[in-house]
Amino acid sequence: SQTIHQWPATLVQPVGSPLSLECTVEGTSNPNLYWYRQAAGRGLQLLFYSVGIGQISSEVPQNLSASRPQDRQFILSSKKLLLSDSGFYLCAWSVPRGWEKLFFGSGTQLSVL
Amino acid sequence: QKEVEQNSGPLSVPEGAIASLNCTYSDRGSQSFFWYRQYSGKSPELIMSIYSNGDKEDGRFTAQLNKASQYVSLLIRDSQPSDSATYLCAVNNQGGKLIFGQGTELSVKP
Repeated sequence: SQTIHQWPATLVQPVGSPLSLECTVEGTSNPNLYWYRQAAGRGLQLLFYSVGIGQISSEVPQNLSASRPQDRQFILSSKKLLLSDSGFYLCAWSVPRGWEKLFFGSGTQLSVL
Repeated sequence: QKEVEQNSGPLSVPEGAIASLNCTYSDRGSQSFFWYRQYSGKSPELIMSIYSNGDKEDGRFTAQLNKASQYVSLLIRDSQPSDSATYLCAVNNQGGKLIFGQGTELSVKP
């Protein structure tokens, strides 16, 4: 069966510090991978999605970036965090053919202080 | 107009009652519709998917789709306190992307 791992679960970072969140998927090949952000009391905002190694699409211009160095690994990064980057970050995967059902990781609660 | 709209709630129902959650969408070409449940501090969990007009039942959950009215709903029968969560409606638009509503908070009172 497929599983998705996301870490860390919680993170407190000062403004201006770098960020690296990692997500890996097991039990499937060539998945679509996604990063979403959920601000407190709000819906899910799509940040990035990837259909293959090195293929990244950005949905929202911001100081975040994403990379997919391996088929089942997806990384979210920032060189300098802003207060507005605080939120609940979720990695997700879907089958390769499209945007069908998404399966989410456990999430990272990021607080930028 | 938002692509996917839900009442934010909170929707409060007594235990054992039917909870009705509603969602409208703007892209008439949408083909796939999903309901996710999200407990506080946790990630969303897929609970229902529906692709054709009509009703789809799974245990205590029934999803209803009306493409002509661009409307999808989720009914929860015999609501339990453990059903208290935020329910997210998600729709595939014609571009293929999955768009989420803001979510409806459901509270089931014992």
